[in-house]
Amino acid sequence: QPVLTQSPSASASLGASVKLTCTLSSGHRSYAIAWHQQQPEKGPRFLMKLNSDGSHRRGDGIPDRFSGSSSGAERYLTISSLLSEDEADYYCQTWGTGIQVFGGGTKLTVL
Amino acid sequence: EVQLLDSGGGLVQPGGSLRLSCEASGFTFSSYGMSWVRQAPGKGLEWVSIISGSGGTTYYADSVKGRFTISRDHSKNALYLQMNSLRAEDTAVYYCAKTDRGDPTGGFDYWGQGTLVTVSS
Repeated sequence: QPVLTQSPSASASLGASVKLTCTLSSGHRSYAIAWHQQQPEKGPRFLMKLNSDGSHRRGDGIPDRFSGSSSGAERYLTISSLLSEDEADYYCQTWGTGIQVFGGGTKLTVL
Repeated sequence: EVQLLDSGGGLVQPGGSLRLSCEASGFTFSSYGMSWVRQAPGKGLEWVSIISGSGGTTYYADSVKGRFTISRDHSKNALYLQMNSLRAEDTAVYYCAKTDRGDPTGGFDYWGQGTLVTVSS
């Protein structure tokens, strides 16, 4: 079954851009993933579904400041023009027959 | 507008039972798989269970297999999680989530607001 690896933390300045990484385990490089955002004290929110070719579909109401890209086993979430409200935990998710898998999450701090 | 409304959480003693509900609206409920995901205090997201759009196929995480049962009622547009033999480690906020396809795979594209389950004596 697939395993997803995320860095525990990241930081970037207000107005800048940041690129978060989610790495798929060996043998699962072709898998699509989803990115979810969880702001403090709130439930998760779907950001986008990201395919292995880098094509992606954002969720309802998600601004185009959020974009996705892929390279091999890496899946990226880029957030541009950072706002204070972007400070949150970001989780990647993938799936297979009979299983759903989450990465450990990346805590993004906006400086 | 898609909405998922979680309910049914509360305080329960170890070994006890609880039934969670998720009321869905804004989409054709029977066409999409649905899932439960939990988050223990201060921890990340953990997948619990998933059910196909038809309700005919279900899967469970090893940590809850044999204790939890997922089901759905299309007449009520509702998803359920029956939790038996509850343990302290089941303490978490439980979220229902909608998948983007009818079979029990696919990413989650909508989430409920969550309901807190506390297992303690």
